[in-house]
Amino acid sequence: NAGVTQTPKFRVLKTGQSMTLLCAQDMNHEYMYWYRQDPGMGLRLIHYSVGEGTTAKGEVPDGYNVSRLKKQNFLLGLESAAPSQTSVYFCASSYHTSYEQYFGPGTRLTVT
Amino acid sequence: SQQGEEDPQALSIQEGENATMNCSYKTSINNLQWYRQNSGRGLVHLILIRSNEREKHSGRLRVTLDTSKKSSSLLITASRAADTASYFCATPGDMRFGAGTRLTVKP
Repeated sequence: NAGVTQTPKFRVLKTGQSMTLLCAQDMNHEYMYWYRQDPGMGLRLIHYSVGEGTTAKGEVPDGYNVSRLKKQNFLLGLESAAPSQTSVYFCASSYHTSYEQYFGPGTRLTVT
Repeated sequence: SQQGEEDPQALSIQEGENATMNCSYKTSINNLQWYRQNSGRGLVHLILIRSNEREKHSGRLRVTLDTSKKSSSLLITASRAADTASYFCATPGDMRFGAGTRLTVKP
């Protein structure tokens, strides 16, 4: 099992550009999450999904969109990148909200 | 919200010593989870303790839970340099992680 994978691992964008981050899990988990982590801080939830075809806003959703067309994939889109979106992005999945989360290796995004 | 908050923010010890970090939360829980994050990597689940448990062990890890005080502690015994990482607690349904405790174990 690959667990949770994220692509790409690194990306540099210019202000105003758009991009999509892909998260894939092979554990048949219902729940998937996107977090961002800024230096010295904890993880803040951007969006999450409780099943295929569903999405919901987290703590910091502005400037991001998500889609969960397939159960195993959760996409995070940046519509118009801003320097404030420079961060490390982590995807995670879990069987249920009460169960442990499995994290991907992260995507380091820099917006100049 | 049910945000877990870790204390202390940073902890530095010598190899072989024990490390204790604490977590406080705000509302009733079904379980509490501890995670580790090595620098630049994703979080890894360490241990889950249910609300009806007071103590749980896993290898060199010992977790306690006091639901009356809404607090938990993680003890790492006989620490190793490889234990150097940030440690986070999380409560179910919360989907929030605090800033964590940054543990440094000096060889």
